[in-house]
Amino acid sequence: DAGVTQSPTHLIKTRGQHVTLRCSPISGHKSVSWYQQVLGQGPQFIFQYYEKEERGRGNFPDRFSARQFPNYSSELNVNALLLGDSALYLCASSSGHQDRETQYFGPGTRLLVL
Amino acid sequence: GNSVTQMEGPVTLSEEAFLTINCTYTATGYPSLFWYVQYPGEGLQLLLKATKADDKGSNKGFEATYRKETTSFHLEKGSVQVSDSAVYFCALSDSGGYNKLIFGAGTRLAVHP
Repeated sequence: DAGVTQSPTHLIKTRGQHVTLRCSPISGHKSVSWYQQVLGQGPQFIFQYYEKEERGRGNFPDRFSARQFPNYSSELNVNALLLGDSALYLCASSSGHQDRETQYFGPGTRLLVL
Repeated sequence: GNSVTQMEGPVTLSEEAFLTINCTYTATGYPSLFWYVQYPGEGLQLLLKATKADDKGSNKGFEATYRKETTSFHLEKGSVQVSDSAVYFCALSDSGGYNKLIFGAGTRLAVHP
């Protein structure tokens, strides 16, 4: 079975631009979470979606938004990019049925903002 | 708020040495605890987990025991290999209404032949 997939793998943007990152969860999983991992740090929680509804949001500005589609795939959008948005963006999926359940991560999208 | 603290790296060991990476946590409820591993240029892979006090998670020779009395979840391996070189992240699953992971800063392990 395929794991979590993300696209694109790498992306280079300039300040002020907009970016859309995509994620497909493991088949049967209904919950998708997004994390930002800045170089040398642990991942930081951005959003969680379950059944197309936002379930939780981390401490990120409104430039960050996301949505989940009927097939449970998800998009993360970042507007007005800043240099500090350069990071590895990780998507994780889980069944969504249990509290504190395991999340499975994709390979990430590496974003560089120049 | 909830948090995870890991020992700073890098940790440098010779092959077949014993490994310990310390992890302590602060949590108001009863979190699940996880170790994830990240190889260069890749995403995170689940290494092991424990869901309640005194549970021991194990996988690929790695072990960690959920110690509520010391709020710790230290990672151990009896004999490391060069292929274990990676960054290891301790994490807890915050049970505050949804399934958010809180990570430590990561510990880089380098194993030399």
